[in-house]
Amino acid sequence: DQQVKQNSPSLSVQEGRISILNCDYTNSMFDYFLWYKKYPAEGPTFLISISSIKDKNEDGRFTVFLNKSAKHLSLHIVPSQPGDSAVYFCAASAKDYNQGGKLIFGQGTELSVKP
Amino acid sequence: EPEVTQTPSHQVTQMGQEVILRCVPISNHLYFYWYRQILGQKVEFLVSFYNNEISEKSEIFDDQFSVERPDGSNFTLKIRSTKLEDSAMYFCASSLGGDSSSYEQYFGPGTRLTVT
Repeated sequence: DQQVKQNSPSLSVQEGRISILNCDYTNSMFDYFLWYKKYPAEGPTFLISISSIKDKNEDGRFTVFLNKSAKHLSLHIVPSQPGDSAVYFCAASAKDYNQGGKLIFGQGTELSVKP
Repeated sequence: EPEVTQTPSHQVTQMGQEVILRCVPISNHLYFYWYRQILGQKVEFLVSFYNNEISEKSEIFDDQFSVERPDGSNFTLKIRSTKLEDSAMYFCASSLGGDSSSYEQYFGPGTRLTVT
């Protein structure tokens, strides 16, 4: 079941530059998207989300862009910092107000920010 | 800042034994979830729980699994007879629910279950 795909298993970026992490989805019923950051031996940490009624959401250094026609979203981190080095997961949900909406996760992209 | 907590951090058990994984969700959250991640694989949904009953479960969540909210704070996952393939990190999550911004799920640190 590959409803959410992150095709790049890893990404290396220089400190201060932009990191762009990509995610594709196939299920047109998804209407809420989230990005999580995960360090080894820890749980996923919520970063930023976007509803399908928007095409952009920004929070500090993090911006998520949603292209519904392409079923594609991306996370931009500007400027990248060494502390951003972690695995980033894209997740999607088809919200059902009675059920709360399970999350379907991508495989993750390991970001390495080099000083 | 409120957070989801899980105990134990690591559980080792023998095949066929019962295990109970415990979680304390964020106190004002209404929706509770269990996910698992087998080493090297995706994080997978197991079950969601709302208003004291299961609202959705995955194919993984068979009769060997059960969830309970025994009191106002704890949320537990029981595996009745563990198998080798149950070895994974188990994550509890909770969300507030109610409007779009409240569907963000917050995860605990996980319990590493090792079945030998």
